[in-house]
Amino acid sequence: ETGVTQTPRHLVMGMTNKKSLKCEQHLGHNAMYWYKQSAKKPLELMFVYSLEERVENNSVPSRFSPECPNSSHLFLHLHTLQPEDSALYLCASSQESSNQPQHFGDGTRLSIL
Amino acid sequence: QQQVKQSPQSLIVQKGGISIINCAYENTAFDYFPWYQQFPGKGPALLIAIRPDVSEKKEGRFTISFNKSAKQFSLHIMDSQPGDSATYFCAASTRGTSYGKLTFGQGTILTVHP
Repeated sequence: ETGVTQTPRHLVMGMTNKKSLKCEQHLGHNAMYWYKQSAKKPLELMFVYSLEERVENNSVPSRFSPECPNSSHLFLHLHTLQPEDSALYLCASSQESSNQPQHFGDGTRLSIL
Repeated sequence: QQQVKQSPQSLIVQKGGISIINCAYENTAFDYFPWYQQFPGKGPALLIAIRPDVSEKKEGRFTISFNKSAKQFSLHIMDSQPGDSATYFCAASTRGTSYGKLTFGQGTILTVHP
């Protein structure tokens, strides 16, 4: 399998549930990213991991908790989400270095009931 | 100052026509300007990118024009095809970090009619 794979593709959860989004990259990259994509808004960078160390956290609420156990895997743990958190969550990876192309997965469509 | 403003929000073009999407930025530290293409149900995919040391870059039917003094750049799609119908995002990032920190425009929904 190649590229960036995200699972699940769709997730419906209640506000009190706990779930996790998974991302796996097969490109040999060492930087990974979580983005939030909402309708009619620019992609919002949430978290960046470079060499498995979190280097960016863009004022994301604590109900989102990222985890990067190794350079190929990235998780986003979710708990006590709000309806406004419904969005498409995209994972991306790149080679560590500024201005290297980012390769995106197809996202997880998250709906909060 | 970190914003990238993209226009139009939506664009309808006839097959064979030219599609033009524009972006403007304020941060003069931006030095890498990629365009991404996103089809429904898919993640964004890098289409073409430019650095500010050149004014134009062409790859097939896709051309980026870059105007450093005006702090604007644009995507031109020549001979637009129905298969080009997608959402296009411009983005910008700066040097100086060990990872990519992209600032995205709001996106343009392009529809090419047959």
